[in-house]
Amino acid sequence: DIVMTQSPLSLPVTLGQPASISCRSSQSLVFSDGNTYLNWFQQRPGQSPRRLIYKVSNRDSGVPDRFTGSGSGTDFTLKINRVEAEDVGVYYCMQGTQWPWTFGQGTKVEIK
Amino acid sequence: EVHLVESGGGLVQPGGSLRLSCAASGFTFSYYWMSWARQAPGKGLECVANIKYDGSEKYYVDSVKGRFTISRDNAKNSLYLQMNSLRADDTAVYYCARAESRSTDYWGQGTLLTVSS
Repeated sequence: DIVMTQSPLSLPVTLGQPASISCRSSQSLVFSDGNTYLNWFQQRPGQSPRRLIYKVSNRDSGVPDRFTGSGSGTDFTLKINRVEAEDVGVYYCMQGTQWPWTFGQGTKVEIK
Repeated sequence: EVHLVESGGGLVQPGGSLRLSCAASGFTFSYYWMSWARQAPGKGLECVANIKYDGSEKYYVDSVKGRFTISRDNAKNSLYLQMNSLRADDTAVYYCARAESRSTDYWGQGTLLTVSS
């Protein structure tokens, strides 16, 4: 199975400041079709996961443009440009390149 | 609007069985792969099973192979997860999700399964 490793696991941030979460995979996430199936999810307290980013850098409909995904191969990053109160929650990266699809451990974003 | 509603969770004794259901609406169900994922209390997320849009292909994570069966009824816009030989470590919130382009783009609100004596 592909192991997804996130860092940090806890991220206290000041409102209005940027935040960055790293995700590394144990092997390349480039699929045979040339796409890289790396996704980012947000799970607010008490809610279901919500996909923010798919295929590394594509924002889902309705996702604020302060969320940006980047990376390639085995190293990926989710950046929040200016953190807002509604961004509090746990963020997960997930790979869909190889079954079983696997998630990182999650990064808990909280306000300082 | 895509809507996924899980049901069927509850308290089951170890070794018992349960079937989860997911009612889908707001999209053409028969066009999409579907997934079940779970989240143990206070833990992370795990994709448990996937099923192709016509039910002809099914995939399972190793920890549930031989015990869980994913199925669907496209006429009823419904997804199912039959769970047998349940263990304490199967305790989790189970989510139904629409699968699209090797990802899951919409998730339901989840249903809680507790395996305990």
